[in-house]
Amino acid sequence: GAVVSQHPSWVICKSGTSVKIECRSLDFQATTMFWYRQFPKQSLMLMATSNEGSKATYEQGVEKDKFLINHASLTLSTLTVTSAHPEDSSFYICSARPGTDSYEQYFGPGTRLTVT
Amino acid sequence: GQNIDQPTEMTATEGAIVQINCTYQTSGFNGLFWYQQHAGEAPTFLSYNVLDGLEEKGRFSSFLSRSKGYSYLLLKELQMKDSASYLCAVLDSNYQLIWGAGTKLIIKP
Repeated sequence: GAVVSQHPSWVICKSGTSVKIECRSLDFQATTMFWYRQFPKQSLMLMATSNEGSKATYEQGVEKDKFLINHASLTLSTLTVTSAHPEDSSFYICSARPGTDSYEQYFGPGTRLTVT
Repeated sequence: GQNIDQPTEMTATEGAIVQINCTYQTSGFNGLFWYQQHAGEAPTFLSYNVLDGLEEKGRFSSFLSRSKGYSYLLLKELQMKDSASYLCAVLDSNYQLIWGAGTKLIIKP
């Protein structure tokens, strides 16, 4: 159990375009979902925390107008990278936390974004 | 500020034992996680410690000392597939995960 999927697994887009990444919890309801970014040879960097039905909480330095997060249901959160630039190229990973006493996060497989 | 320290890289031999240390200074403590991450993949859960002591799970064990702000992950009978990065993360007083930079473990035959 506790499977999280992400789509797409990799995407290449042109500079200036927008890209949407989906994160789904397949066999549990996720009251909270997290979006991370990871550059090569670096650790995970939390971008934002989203709770179903409310606005996401962004970490300091993350532009909320550039990285749009929508947590429309208990099983789906989306991250849209708007007006993508080459420096946005990174590995984006989502995780989901069930609405239980456990604080373990279940990670999706990640999305490799390359902006040309 | 909040800080988690772990070695950047370690090398060990197949079949041997290796201990990866993690020290932390965080605002509050609600548990410590260890995750394994293979290159290009998402992290996978290994262990969670919230009380002092050793938790054993097969070839992997995790130890916690809250008074010392210290944890270690012990890997026994190393296999080549154990080559990966190992991430230490602490759940702070706001139940936010604070991540270490990860330790890259290289296993040599």
